[in-house]
Amino acid sequence: GAVVSQHPSWVICKSGTSVKIECRSLDFQATTMFWYRQFPKQSLMLMATSNEGSKATYEQGVEKDKFLINHASLTLSTLTVTSAHPEDSSFYICSARVPGTGSYGYTFGSGTRLTVV
Amino acid sequence: AQRVTQPEKLLSVFKGAPVELKCNYSYSGSPELFWYVQYSRQRLQLLLRHISRESIKGFTADLNKGETSFHLKKPFAQEEDSAMYYCALKGYGAQKLVFGQGTRLTINP
Repeated sequence: GAVVSQHPSWVICKSGTSVKIECRSLDFQATTMFWYRQFPKQSLMLMATSNEGSKATYEQGVEKDKFLINHASLTLSTLTVTSAHPEDSSFYICSARVPGTGSYGYTFGSGTRLTVV
Repeated sequence: AQRVTQPEKLLSVFKGAPVELKCNYSYSGSPELFWYVQYSRQRLQLLLRHISRESIKGFTADLNKGETSFHLKKPFAQEEDSAMYYCALKGYGAQKLVFGQGTRLTINP
């Protein structure tokens, strides 16, 4: 089946540094990818929708200058957390729509646990 | 506005007992509703969707437009059903999924 590979699975960084998270579609072309943030014991909150070759659409309240999304190819989307602070510590999950699967074809990455110290 | 509400954060039942995970939604049009499941240390995966009206792993869910609900049910719970369950909504013509808060289901032996 369609698989999305997300790396790294966990990362620890110092406050003030930037961290990049990659999301790759392994056996399909993903024109649309989604980035979610999940706080402990809470739901997945959509941060932005990423479309290949165009600017990402950010949800209300999400700082686009802090959470940089790049979707330069049909198989790769990246999320860069810039100038990270401890409050950015969270679980980040990417998702992609699988072409030809209609409205239900969403596949999810395994997530990245970001800890900012 | 689109909203999905799962009123129970935690639900614990005994093996063999019926289980129902509640989901209510708010959407002005005709939504598509889904149930996703996340087993321990695994990624989120689709369990079922209202359009298909199918039973997956013994689970069913019926869309009740009058009550704006999409509750997930299983007549006889099994230990392997222990997981995190998310109800999700997709608006007509939309790309994104809106998730509920999730319910952690624990099946006790």
